[in-house]
Amino acid sequence: GQQLNQSPQSMFIQEGEDVSMNCTSSSIFNTWLWYKQEPGEGPVLLIALYKAGELTSNGRLTAQFGITRKDSFLNISASIPSDVGIYFCAGQNNAGNMLTFGGGTRLMVKP
Amino acid sequence: SAVISQKPSRDICQRGTSLTIQCQVDSQVTMMFWYRQQPGQSLTLIATANQGSEATYESGFVIDKFPISRPNLTFSTLTVSNMSPEDSSIYLCSVKLAESSYEQYFGPGTRLTVT
Repeated sequence: GQQLNQSPQSMFIQEGEDVSMNCTSSSIFNTWLWYKQEPGEGPVLLIALYKAGELTSNGRLTAQFGITRKDSFLNISASIPSDVGIYFCAGQNNAGNMLTFGGGTRLMVKP
Repeated sequence: SAVISQKPSRDICQRGTSLTIQCQVDSQVTMMFWYRQQPGQSLTLIATANQGSEATYESGFVIDKFPISRPNLTFSTLTVSNMSPEDSSIYLCSVKLAESSYEQYFGPGTRLTVT
């Protein structure tokens, strides 16, 4: 089946630094979603991407849908302590299909 | 989005017993799903909960182990049957607001520990 490789697995950064994480797939997706999960909570949808090449922002977060439709990245600018959590990418072929999740990137921010 | 609640939020159960997890949404939704998140792992889809018909299970998950009900457009239950320590996970309900929508929203999860 489809697999999503998400990297890095974890990051420990200083407050104020920018962060970048990405997902690559062995096959094409038509939609990419990025989620954040904090301890004790369910994943929260951050950004949804629908077109190849699309670049979308949500506050300090920016995500892009790769041209090949096999990859996506998420950038966080000027990180703050509340950015701590696990970030998951998820790909979907069409609205009726399941989401395939990446392994997650655990972000830790040092004040 | 939608407000999704799950009950219980956590439980500790003995092996061999069963636990039913409830998912309640504050508005009618077309699609509801159940996911499992094993400790330190990503999310894996267990099944799609279909209203008025049997759930659609993903490979590796069976109805006898994870029976699912969906009596209406705002409520679903997942039962974890004959539990073993390997079933210790977070179980998450998610919803799509419209069938044509790609976006899924998640509940807070139920943290299950089987001893």
